[in-house]
Amino acid sequence: GAGVSQSPRYKVAKRGQDVALRCDPISGHVSLFWYQQALGQGPEFLTYFQNEAQLDKSGLPSDRFFAERPEGSVSTLKIQRTQQEDSAVYLCASSLAGSGDFTDTQYFGPGTRLTVL
Amino acid sequence: AQSVAQPEDQVNVAEGNPLTVKCTYSVSGNPYLFWYVQYPNRGLQFLLKYITGDNLVKGSYGFEAEFNKSQTSFHLKKPSALVSDSALYFCAVRGSMDSNYQLIWGAGTKLIIKP
Repeated sequence: GAGVSQSPRYKVAKRGQDVALRCDPISGHVSLFWYQQALGQGPEFLTYFQNEAQLDKSGLPSDRFFAERPEGSVSTLKIQRTQQEDSAVYLCASSLAGSGDFTDTQYFGPGTRLTVL
Repeated sequence: AQSVAQPEDQVNVAEGNPLTVKCTYSVSGNPYLFWYVQYPNRGLQFLLKYITGDNLVKGSYGFEAEFNKSQTSFHLKKPSALVSDSALYFCAVRGSMDSNYQLIWGAGTKLIIKP
């Protein structure tokens, strides 16, 4: 079956531009996570959605970062006024269960590599 | 504080030999432990997880991991390495008493299998 998909796979932005990164989770998955992965590092949590509700946004690094999942399926991570330090791979993951199940497996998309010049 | 340590940045193993990638953790409550693999320019692929029960967990591609509560470890193992196992491996953990939704991730271990 189809896995998690992300688009675009690569994005180059000039400093100060706004970008929007899209995630299509596995159909029927309740939970959706966004992570930021710097080169050679493990993923860092950004935000979590249960259906359309954003239950945790504690990992968003600044108010330039905004995420939404308006219909409880596709999600968009938006970064306003991009800075060079925003350059990273942005990973999306989904899992079947809701937030009460901490044991559920997260399935990852291929990521979007953002380069800010 | 919750944490995960992967003490080796890189592990080198000859093809056909057994491999071990180490992971230790610190969490509140019972640990829920995960191993993922990442190939170049690919997302993270789930290998296996420990939730409860048998300390030896078997996963994808012949990998297994052993949960050791006293040593707070969850080392990834494979009896006979393949060149195609070369990749970046991540250990992640969540605690049963964690109040947030986050997985805590290790920094990753690069596994190199030499022919």
